[in-house]
Amino acid sequence: QSVLTQPPSVSAAPGQKVTISCSGSSSNIGNHYVSWYQQLPGTAPKLLIYDNNKRPSGIPDRFSGSKSGTSATLGITGLQTGDEADYYCVTWDSSLSAGVFGGGTKLTVL
Amino acid sequence: EVQLVESGGGLVQPGGSLKLSCAASGFIFSDSAIHWVRQASGKGLEWVGRIRSKANSYATEYVASVEGRFTISRDESKNTAYLQLNSLRTEDTAVYFCARHYLDYGDPAFDFWGQGTLVTVSS
Repeated sequence: QSVLTQPPSVSAAPGQKVTISCSGSSSNIGNHYVSWYQQLPGTAPKLLIYDNNKRPSGIPDRFSGSKSGTSATLGITGLQTGDEADYYCVTWDSSLSAGVFGGGTKLTVL
Repeated sequence: EVQLVESGGGLVQPGGSLKLSCAASGFIFSDSAIHWVRQASGKGLEWVGRIRSKANSYATEYVASVEGRFTISRDESKNTAYLQLNSLRTEDTAVYFCARHYLDYGDPAFDFWGQGTLVTVSS
């Protein structure tokens, strides 16, 4: 069981919008920044969002992040078939003194 | 160009040891923390541990399941981080990634990753 809770899967049609939630507690999301990663099959993860809502250079503004209380959300608009991947949230947990990942969400673009 | 290249994976028996390397290039190695993350086949990502930057005294932290068995170190002269895996268990079988936390400031965010190296623990 992961410390951070994500839905196992989400799906939407091309061009539509999808959100992926990441739920934690005060020892992790509630008091720490969240980052989000995209992992295509057979590849290393790729940073999409850091510090809750900042995009690294080269990441399109179709990807957005937000945080409220002990939950964070990744939003993807204008879905493309190339967005089909697994998505993970990560943060620090001050009670565990450890990094913690969500269980991952598989995005299907129908 | 920033690069992280892992090596050292392989097949090892339960109870055995292995040392993974993460060779870095294209950035000032001592300024960044290096994290290790693993992924069992068909499973999610799991944070394993980190070694912080020179500015943070090269402090290390680990997930509870590997504490006392795994050790992270770094050699600044070789721009390389290491993950020493001892007392290996079958559940340690996974692809191991190293990842950079640039400038080791604030909460971890991993902007560059290695390609991963497979560790298989089996008799």
